[in-house]
Amino acid sequence: QVQLVQSGAEVKKPGASVKVSCKASGYTFTSYGISWVRQAPGQGLEWMGWISAYNGNTNYAQKLQGRVTMTTDTSTSTAYMELRSLRSDDTAVYYCARAKTGDPDYWGQGTLVTVSS
Amino acid sequence: SYELTQPPSVSVSPGQTARITCSGDALPKKYAYWYQQKSGQAPVLVIYEDSKRPSGIPERFSGSSSGTMATLTISGAQVEDEADYYCYSTDSSGNHRGVFGGGTKLTVL
Repeated sequence: QVQLVQSGAEVKKPGASVKVSCKASGYTFTSYGISWVRQAPGQGLEWMGWISAYNGNTNYAQKLQGRVTMTTDTSTSTAYMELRSLRSDDTAVYYCARAKTGDPDYWGQGTLVTVSS
Repeated sequence: SYELTQPPSVSVSPGQTARITCSGDALPKKYAYWYQQKSGQAPVLVIYEDSKRPSGIPERFSGSSSGTMATLTISGAQVEDEADYYCYSTDSSGNHRGVFGGGTKLTVL
């Protein structure tokens, strides 16, 4: 069965960086991409971007361009999302999801990132 | 930037049909996807490519799309269907950037 297991909760200070991991299993990792989606407390879902696990091509949300980097490690079937220059409004649950071309199907359990001084 | 518009809330009694709409200018050319999110849980895909249902999703969930509006229909809504529902699609600019609707809280009582 398809499973995506994310790394644990993080607490960061403003201006710092965070890197969230997402380990995939139950399917051929390089046949799909990984989308990242975040959800601020009490708010809706926000699409952050997508990376192809086949060739590493990326497509980022315009508002995060320059602050976000998505990568994959095909040897371990793991995707990573790094967000830099953190602000308080980056506090959110961050989800990874399997996605053929961007549209998510199976989701990870979520990782809470708290940005606080 | 591209937006998808959903009603904030929909309320039905158990056994009634719930319809949740999603409007967007690119929907005539782009597929809509629907996700169910229960409190404290990760989203679950319930409809993909406008009207297809993933395995394991009850038959009471169906989807359709016409013009600039996509619709999620829950026929005979159950109490356990109470959740937030989000539509998702991409813009038509060629960037293929994803966007979620603002979400609709479905109350079944």
